[in-house]
Amino acid sequence: QQQVKQSPQSLIVQKGGISIINCAYENTAFDYFPWYQQFPGKGPALLIAIRPDVSEKKEGRFTISFNKSAKQFSLHIMDSQPGDSATYFCAGSKETSGSRLTFGEGTQLTVNP
Amino acid sequence: GAVVSQHPSWVICKSGTSVKIECRSLDFQATTMFWYRQFPKQSLMLMATSNEGSKATYEQGVEKDKFLINHASLTLSTLTVTSAHPEDSSFYICSASGSLSLGGTDTQYFGPGTRLTVL
Repeated sequence: QQQVKQSPQSLIVQKGGISIINCAYENTAFDYFPWYQQFPGKGPALLIAIRPDVSEKKEGRFTISFNKSAKQFSLHIMDSQPGDSATYFCAGSKETSGSRLTFGEGTQLTVNP
Repeated sequence: GAVVSQHPSWVICKSGTSVKIECRSLDFQATTMFWYRQFPKQSLMLMATSNEGSKATYEQGVEKDKFLINHASLTLSTLTVTSAHPEDSSFYICSASGSLSLGGTDTQYFGPGTRLTVL
């Protein structure tokens, strides 16, 4: 019940296109859903996060769409750039867990010039 | 704000030696720190959670006597890999969560990671 499933495993997008990464969670107690971006040899960096009281959150080119009834959320990267090429992880946590994050498997995004 | 540092960034050691990795929150007080391990092209695996001044909580399957965690202050946690062996070679990453002003206790900020290679 703690799993977060992420897809696709890898994604290739042309520059200027839209990158979409999907996640599904099982634990209905989760109340915080962050997305992290990780470049090779670096630690993950918080990109954007959402709580289940809203269905969408946008920050610049990055948007999270959240569907509570379906227990799914997705990351949309608009106008994808080669510099966005990285591995993206979704995660979920519940406040009472001491912010213990359950991560998805990761998506390796490649944006071609 | 919310910067987490790790030291060293990489280390090579001989089998049987111990290695200490430091994790510091530079501009905030971290009530909770986490240690992860990551293998190439895989997700992050939580090893343990530590709160300042108390014993760390280890995930199932993680040897607490092998991976010693100390969280002596609100800005410093250390991970010591004791009697390291080649199978301990990995990328170790810490994270820290802090106050409400930083997005609440849910938000984890990650360090840059430490690459450990055991020969």
